[in-house]
Parts: sequence; C-alpha cells; structure tokens
Amino acid sequence: QITLKESGPTLVKPRQTLTLTCTFSGFSLTTSGVGVGWIRQPPGKALEWLALIYWNEDKRYSPSLRSRLTITKDTSKNQVVLTMTDMDPVDTATYYCTHRLRLSGHIEFWGQGSLVTVSS
Amino acid sequence: SYVLAQPPSVSVAPGQAAIITCGGSNIGGRSVHWYQQKPGQAPVLVVYNDHNRPSGIPERFSASNSGNTATLTIIRVEAGDEADYYCQVWDADSDQVFGGGTKLTVL
Repeated sequence: QITLKESGPTLVKPRQTLTLTCTFSGFSLTTSGVGVGWIRQPPGKALEWLALIYWNEDKRYSPSLRSRLTITKDTSKNQVVLTMTDMDPVDTATYYCTHRLRLSGHIEFWGQGSLVTVSS
Repeated sequence: SYVLAQPPSVSVAPGQAAIITCGGSNIGGRSVHWYQQKPGQAPVLVVYNDHNRPSGIPERFSASNSGNTATLTIIRVEAGDEADYYCQVWDADSDQVFGGGTKLTVL
C-alpha cells in the first residue's frame, strides 16, 4: 500500500525559505522508473505542478518557479524534500507530494496535503 | 507552455448526465487524465489515458479525447459526485499541466 505524507511549517514569513518533507511508504525511490513530485493548490484555485525527482536523480522543475525550487531525496529515510526560497503571500497554498511513474503521465497516489500560509 | 481550458462550472440535476470539457491545442494527440477533488481532500484519479478507469471508480464515469477537446462524462449523477474536476496532460516542458478545474454542482 502506497502512502505519502507531507510535513513542514504551517506558517512562514515573506522572504523566508520553505522546506517541506514528503515521507512515503509502500515503494522505494531506488526502483527504476519511480519518482516523487510536488504539486500545490492555492485556496480556491487550480492545481499547479512544481517539481519532480526520479530514482536516478533526474530532476524536473516548473519553468516559472525553477529559480526558487530545489528537490532532493534521501532514499535511506524514504523522504523527498522540497525547498522554495523567497516566499511570498501568493505562495500560500496546500502542497501535495505525489508518487509518479516515469512511463505514466498521471498521478495515482497523493499525500493528504499540507497547508502553508505566508504571512508576516 | 501548454494550456488546458475548462468551464468554471457545470450544473446538473440528480440522475442526469454531466459533461465536462477540457480544451487544448490538438489535445487528441495527448493522453488526458481526470481527477475528482472534494472539499478538503486530495484529488482522486477517476480516468487515465483518455478513457481508462482505475479500480474502484464507477462505470458511470467515462471519458473521450479527440481533436481539440477531451470530455469527461458522468451519467446518472449522484449528490456524491459534487466536486471539482481537473483534466491533466503530460508536457515536455512542465511535466504535468492541469486545467483550471470545473466545479460540478448537483442541483
């Protein structure tokens, strides 16, 4: 059974750096073709893809947020970490981590989401 | 970057059929996936690769994709189908592109 869970601060100040951790189970990020990604959703708005890391360290970033994002993995802990610099109130959103398969364009497994509010 | 357009809202009476569209340039040449999201919950995949249903998704959900429009159809709509629905495709530049979402209201 695949599960993912996001953890991190619920409140960050403008211009601070956000660090979110996705802890997963039921699969390994050492398995060929497997990846973990991040998607966010501002309150009342649409889903937005952010970043993705594959088993082989291949990393992908949203073109519009590339300069602010870093994604890393720790296979020994079954964790993926997303950092986003220079946070702004418009970055207030629920952040989801997701299980991905390279050969599949869809997402079958999602974390429950973590609401992050950016406010001074 | 690739853009997907969905109607903001669709309303339907219980027992009727709901049709939700997703427009994109030559979207018929891409695989389209659909998600259902209820308030306070993570999205749930209801259709993948244009017309396939994951296990546990009722047969009332079906989808098609051709030309510049993909369509999600829900027949015999129930109150429990009320949710936001998102279409999604894979894109070489942005990995996953989502539509703006359609709020399905069951009257």
